[in-house]
Amino acid sequence: DIQMTQSPSTLSASVGDRVTITCRASQSISRLAWYQQKPGKAPKLLIYKASSLESGVPSRFSGSGSGTEFTLTISSLQPDDFATYYCQQYNSFPYTFGQGTKLEI
Amino acid sequence: EVQLVESGGALVQPGGSLRLSCAASGFTFSSYWISWVRQAPGKGLEWVANIKEDGSDKYYVDSVKGRFTISRDNAKNSLYLQMNSLRAEDTAVYYCARQYNWNDGLDYWGQGTLVTVSS
Repeated sequence: DIQMTQSPSTLSASVGDRVTITCRASQSISRLAWYQQKPGKAPKLLIYKASSLESGVPSRFSGSGSGTEFTLTISSLQPDDFATYYCQQYNSFPYTFGQGTKLEI
Repeated sequence: EVQLVESGGALVQPGGSLRLSCAASGFTFSSYWISWVRQAPGKGLEWVANIKEDGSDKYYVDSVKGRFTISRDNAKNSLYLQMNSLRAEDTAVYYCARQYNWNDGLDYWGQGTLVTVSS
């Protein structure tokens, strides 16, 4: 199985900050997604295929990376962005998620 | 409007069984792969199972193999998860989520249904 490791686990930031979350895969992959989840809600797809922005997602979100190292960047944090973020590989079954990064004010 | 609505969650004793359902609307259900993803209370996301658009291929995480069965009825726009030999560690909110093909992520999710395994 492909293991996904996110860092940091918790990130404290302020409105307007630029933040980056890292996700590392235990082997090379090309299919990676990023999700945002708020308490009591279902996850929301932000990025797929490592760098493709899902329709309707603000352009301040971007994804990059290849092979085993990937990043999610939020260029200027907005109040609505404080949530937990997960990476997920869907290169092969079983799909696996990172452990999550909680973005706090 | 795309909708996925899970149902069937309940309190069940260890060793018991439960069948979850996911009703789809607003899109061509038979064209999509569908996954079940779960989230234990206060924990992260765990992918559980996937079924291809015609039901020909099914995949499971190791921890549920032999206990859970994913199935679908494209005529009814419905997905199912039959869960047998339930354990305390299966306690979670269970989400269904769709995926168009290998290039896409899980782009629409249901609101989830809670399964609690406890005596």
